[in-house]
Amino acid sequence: GAGVSQSPRYKVAKRGQDVALRCDPISGHVSLFWYQQALGQGPEFLTYFQNEAQLDKSGLPSDRFFAERPEGSVSTLKIQRTQQEDSAVYLCASIGRGGTDTQYFGPGTRLTVL
Amino acid sequence: RKEVEQDPGPFNVPEGATVAFNCTYSNSASQSFFWYRQDCRKEPKLLMSVYSSGNEDGRFTAQLNRASQYISLLIRDSKLSDSATYLCVVNKASSSNTGKLIFGQGTTLQVKP
Repeated sequence: GAGVSQSPRYKVAKRGQDVALRCDPISGHVSLFWYQQALGQGPEFLTYFQNEAQLDKSGLPSDRFFAERPEGSVSTLKIQRTQQEDSAVYLCASIGRGGTDTQYFGPGTRLTVL
Repeated sequence: RKEVEQDPGPFNVPEGATVAFNCTYSNSASQSFFWYRQDCRKEPKLLMSVYSSGNEDGRFTAQLNRASQYISLLIRDSKLSDSATYLCVVNKASSSNTGKLIFGQGTTLQVKP
């Protein structure tokens, strides 16, 4: 079946612009995670949803970052007033209820802030 | 100090070599342990889970030492296709369904002919 999809795959933004990154999890997957991966580093947790509830947002680096999943399926990560340090790959992962430990990752959105 | 620490490498080895990666984690409450593989410009993919009893999948063997908070991955008979970054990952929850994954920096392996 279809895996996790993300769009856009690449985004170039001028500093100060707002961006919105979309994640379509695997159909029926309850839990959804967002991670940020800087160049040469491992992914770092940003936030976690179970259905539509955002249960953990401890990894969001500032109040410019906002995530939502209003209907418990598609999720959007929004970054307001982008800064150069926001340049990274943003990865989305999902896992089903009572499933294996495997988190399935999407291909990521590569954000470059100029 | 990072919660999960790995030697970033790179490890450059000839085909057929045996190579070992190690990582340490600082949170003793960690419950689940994994190795993920990430190819250049691709997403991480689960390579294998890691158990205290040790587990093997073909040429890959993973081991966990809870007392030392140490995880290892051994790759035997390296293939060119093993070239990638290997990410050590821990999770405080007993299942990734309810907990966030904590990734190490990754160790880069380059297998040469």
